[in-house]
Amino acid sequence: EAGVTQFPSHSVIEKGQTVTLRCDPISGHDNLYWYRRVMGKEIKFLLHFVKESKQDESGMPNNRFLAERTGGTYSTLKVQPAELEDSGVYFCASSQFSGSVETQYFGPGTRLLVL
Amino acid sequence: AQKVTQAQTEISVVEKEDVTLDCVYETRDTTYYLFWYKQPPSGELVFLIRRNSFDEQNEISGRYSWNFQKSTSSFNFTITASQVVDSAVYFCALSENSGYSTLTFGKGTMLLVSP
Repeated sequence: EAGVTQFPSHSVIEKGQTVTLRCDPISGHDNLYWYRRVMGKEIKFLLHFVKESKQDESGMPNNRFLAERTGGTYSTLKVQPAELEDSGVYFCASSQFSGSVETQYFGPGTRLLVL
Repeated sequence: AQKVTQAQTEISVVEKEDVTLDCVYETRDTTYYLFWYKQPPSGELVFLIRRNSFDEQNEISGRYSWNFQKSTSSFNFTITASQVVDSAVYFCALSENSGYSTLTFGKGTMLLVSP
């Protein structure tokens, strides 16, 4: 079974440009999460989809970030326009409930550098 | 608010040494889950263990063992007879309640095992 995949693995862009990150969850997982780790800090939650609906987007830093999950399969996270402080590693995770228990499985992350 | 503290930023050991990674958490909930993830150089976060707040039994899986103590709000991770392949960043994480719940991560501990 394929794990969570993310594309691209690395992205270097200039301030003001737009970048779109993609996440493909584990097949059959309804839950999809985005997290971000800024250099030297904790991994922080950004948002959570259940199928195609946004369940919780309280961690989104500002309106320059837009996440979508059309059709409840893969998800995209667009940053427009990118700022220097957006640099970091963006992780995607997916999960499926088993009873009341959930374990999130993570992808390899996308390393974003904004110059 | 929930919080996870991994006080050890970096640990260096020599192969075959035992090493313990500390994790202290804060939460107001009585029902919560604790996790450990491993991030090898390839970058993905690999799930290691999930423990719920009602199960304080220690767990052993091969060379890995976990010590959960609610009295001290700690969930420490010990690697016995460490190997070079154990070199990675290890993250402790907490989620509150059952149902949909985002993960709160510690800053991670980088473990370097030298031959």
